[in-house]
Amino acid sequence: EPEVTQTPSHQVTQMGQEVILRCVPISNHLYFYWYRQILGQKVEFLVSFYNNEISEKSEIFDDQFSVERPDGSNFTLKIRSTKLEDSAMYFCASSEYSQNTIYFGEGSWLTVV
Amino acid sequence: GESVGLHLPTLSVQEGDNSIINCAYSNSASDYFIWYKQESGKGPQFIIDIRSNMDKRQGQRVTVLLNKTVKHLSLQIAATQPGDSAVYFCAEISQGGSEKLVFGKGMKLTVNP
Repeated sequence: EPEVTQTPSHQVTQMGQEVILRCVPISNHLYFYWYRQILGQKVEFLVSFYNNEISEKSEIFDDQFSVERPDGSNFTLKIRSTKLEDSAMYFCASSEYSQNTIYFGEGSWLTVV
Repeated sequence: GESVGLHLPTLSVQEGDNSIINCAYSNSASDYFIWYKQESGKGPQFIIDIRSNMDKRQGQRVTVLLNKTVKHLSLQIAATQPGDSAVYFCAEISQGGSEKLVFGKGMKLTVNP
């Protein structure tokens, strides 16, 4: 069964460093997303991406965050200067159509120290 | 504002029993609902979805019921198995072209053998 894959599974970084989280969405999907989950809390929407541009973003997704689809298969989330409060599990997700089933990856656990 | 919440934080059942997990949502413009299962350290796993033009949908051992009058969603799991132990989230997408999936806080289901 096709799945969303994410790397790395776990990354530890120092505060102020840049981090890039990588995702390979399901191959025929057109809509891509990043969500995050702080430990013990609910999953929160960060950004949606369609047709090579951001279609929607939350207030969490400030200027320190950016997304990119550098080629036909990868979808990345960059945090320019990490803060302690960025420590969370980051989930990539994708869907084939708008407002359709959204499939999640296994997540990248980011720890900022 | 919009919000999705779960009535019960924990539910413990015996193997073989039927389980019912409830969810209340406050956004009457919600158009599409998804139930996810999340095991420890893993990403949300799609279980079943339902659109606002339906009030019931069945899958394998699972049924989702939607009551738009009282803005209530439930997930019924038949013959609960130990492998069903996880945190369950309801999530919604609003009408109007939004791609943002709004998650509830989650409810932990424990199945005792």
